[in-house]
Amino acid sequence: DAGVTQSPTHLIKTRGQHVTLRCSPISGHKSVSWYQQVLGQGPQFIFQYYEKEERGRGNFPDRFSARQFPNYSSELNVNALLLGDSALYLCASSLSFSGETQYFGPGTRLLVL
Amino acid sequence: GQQLNQSPQSMFIQEGEDVSMNCTSSSIFNTWLWYKQDPGEGPVLLIALYKAGELTSNGRLTAQFGITRKDSFLNISASIPSDVGIYFCAGRRQAGTALIFGKGTTLSVSS
Repeated sequence: DAGVTQSPTHLIKTRGQHVTLRCSPISGHKSVSWYQQVLGQGPQFIFQYYEKEERGRGNFPDRFSARQFPNYSSELNVNALLLGDSALYLCASSLSFSGETQYFGPGTRLLVL
Repeated sequence: GQQLNQSPQSMFIQEGEDVSMNCTSSSIFNTWLWYKQDPGEGPVLLIALYKAGELTSNGRLTAQFGITRKDSFLNISASIPSDVGIYFCAGRRQAGTALIFGKGTTLSVSS
């Protein structure tokens, strides 16, 4: 069975641009969460989506938004990119909203110049 | 953002040695998870703990959910070179809330 997949694997953008990152959860999983991981730190929670609705949001500015589609895949959008947005963006999927166990994808490495 | 207190920050050990690391919080958690992350990859789940006092093994790895519900421990026995990587603890206060991660323990194993 395929695990969590993310695209693209790497991305280079310039300040002020917009970026869209994509995630496909494990088959049968209905919840997707997004995390930002900067170098040397643990992942920081950004959003959780379940059944196409936002169920949780971390301490990130409104430049960050996300959505979940009927097939449970998800997109993370970041507007007006800043240098500090450079990070590994991780998607995690879980069976249900309670999300007792989350499985991570390989991440998208974003570099903002 | 909030992070758990994970220690040690790094460890340099010889192949065959045992390793212990821990994670603490000022808050009570109802779930503890341990992940391993290799460079450029996403975290891979090693062990999940759901009950205070629970002791769970996965091969040479053993993790425990602290009885106070504010800490968790991971032990690796007879380390091998492929154990090299960054180990993260993660906790959840209640169902449906976000996972909170530690800063990681970087493990280096020399043969």
